[in-house]
Amino acid sequence: LAKTTQPISMDSYEGQEVNITCSHNNIATNDYITWYQQFPSQGPRFIIQGYKTKVTNEVASLFIPADRKSSTLSLPRVSLSDTAVYYCLVVPRAGNNRKLIWGLGTSLAVNP
Amino acid sequence: NAGVMQNPRHLVRRRGQEARLRCSPMKGHSHVYWYRQLPEEGLKFMVYLQKENIIDESGMPKERFSAEFPKEGPSILRIQQVVRGDSAAYFCASSHSEGPLITYEQYFGPGTRLTVT
Repeated sequence: LAKTTQPISMDSYEGQEVNITCSHNNIATNDYITWYQQFPSQGPRFIIQGYKTKVTNEVASLFIPADRKSSTLSLPRVSLSDTAVYYCLVVPRAGNNRKLIWGLGTSLAVNP
Repeated sequence: NAGVMQNPRHLVRRRGQEARLRCSPMKGHSHVYWYRQLPEEGLKFMVYLQKENIIDESGMPKERFSAEFPKEGPSILRIQQVVRGDSAAYFCASSHSEGPLITYEQYFGPGTRLTVT
């Protein structure tokens, strides 16, 4: 399973755009990039998933370059409630292997 | 549609006692996963179960830990003879079984915080 690397922490201010980059140099052809968000004392919550180029939903955008060795989660106009830990995971296409491998994540602090 | 439910939310046990953690998956989900999270760390996979079957238990310690997902009722993670090092947050997740999905998105419960004194 691919290993991911992302910054341990980031600071931002309300209203700013936040970009969190994740490296996954050993990503396989059938792997998808998935991001989860975790608030203190809660379970992780799925944010977004993509394979290549750009994916956007109501919460975030995910940018994936052609070589797929990295990805960037973009949070537009963050608010205080976006303070959380963000995890980047590489997830194999639907099959028998469903085990998620988690790194330390990026702890985002949004300041007023 | 209720989300993944876990109980208890907090559990305190003395060393040597048994801990039983329960997880009810989302309606329609027949796949359950257990993860452990230590403070300031990411989640660590423990076990993946389908109804009445353990599919992957590669992350679960061989001794003192067991998991089940019976045909009826919640999934149970059981820790016998707990030690202080078992203190952690234990999260359960569930997912769909089959279907036109790219990957199997996992839905997480609120976790059970186990404290061993």
